Amino acid sequence: AQSVTQPDIHITVSEGASLELRCNYSYGATPYLFWYVQSPGQGLQLLLKYFSGDTLVQGIKGFEAEFKRSQSSFNLRKPSVHWSDAAEYFCAVGAGTGRRALTFGSGTRLQVQP
Amino acid sequence: DAGVIQSPRHEVTEMGQEVTLRCKPISGHNSLFWYRQTMMRGLELLIYFNNNVPIDDSGMPEDRFSAKMPNASFSTLKIQPSEPRDSAVYFCASSRADRGGEKLFFGSGTQLSVL
Repeated sequence: AQSVTQPDIHITVSEGASLELRCNYSYGATPYLFWYVQSPGQGLQLLLKYFSGDTLVQGIKGFEAEFKRSQSSFNLRKPSVHWSDAAEYFCAVGAGTGRRALTFGSGTRLQVQP
Repeated sequence: DAGVIQSPRHEVTEMGQEVTLRCKPISGHNSLFWYRQTMMRGLELLIYFNNNVPIDDSGMPEDRFSAKMPNASFSTLKIQPSEPRDSAVYFCASSRADRGGEKLFFGSGTQLSVL
């Protein structure tokens, strides 16, 4: 069965600093990988996704992620964090027929200091 | 587009009562998912439908939970009888297959409190 590990429960960065959120997955075949963001009291919004091809994918709000098969990782990065980026971030892997069933990691809560 | 619409936004009920959560997916989407979010267990997939047919309900915790999708524009998740441990945020999401993968659009969730 597939699984996703986000080792950092909570991260605090200063506004303007760079950010990297870690994600490791376990899946027997080529995974479909996603990053979602959740603001307080809201549903999840897709930041970016990887299906195939270029291993560096660009998303919304200036985020990018790099798929590294050898490390089973799909880390999320942003060169300069804004205060509005404070939220919870979820990594997910799509598995099963058509990769429809997403398994989510436990999430990383990002706090941004002024 | 109005997005995925869930109702009610909040539900407070007493143990033993029946609870029905409702979801209207985005028009044109052919897959619908119910997720549950708790602090302890994170986001769990309960069930998903494709073209109104349940595909995988292995995440449904027990027989007290049931889900239906009578047509492409409406789904319900029912808990009968409800228990305090069912307290969670329940999200509905919909998608349209995108080159074999899925881009999910989530509703704002229903915050369920069972007293």
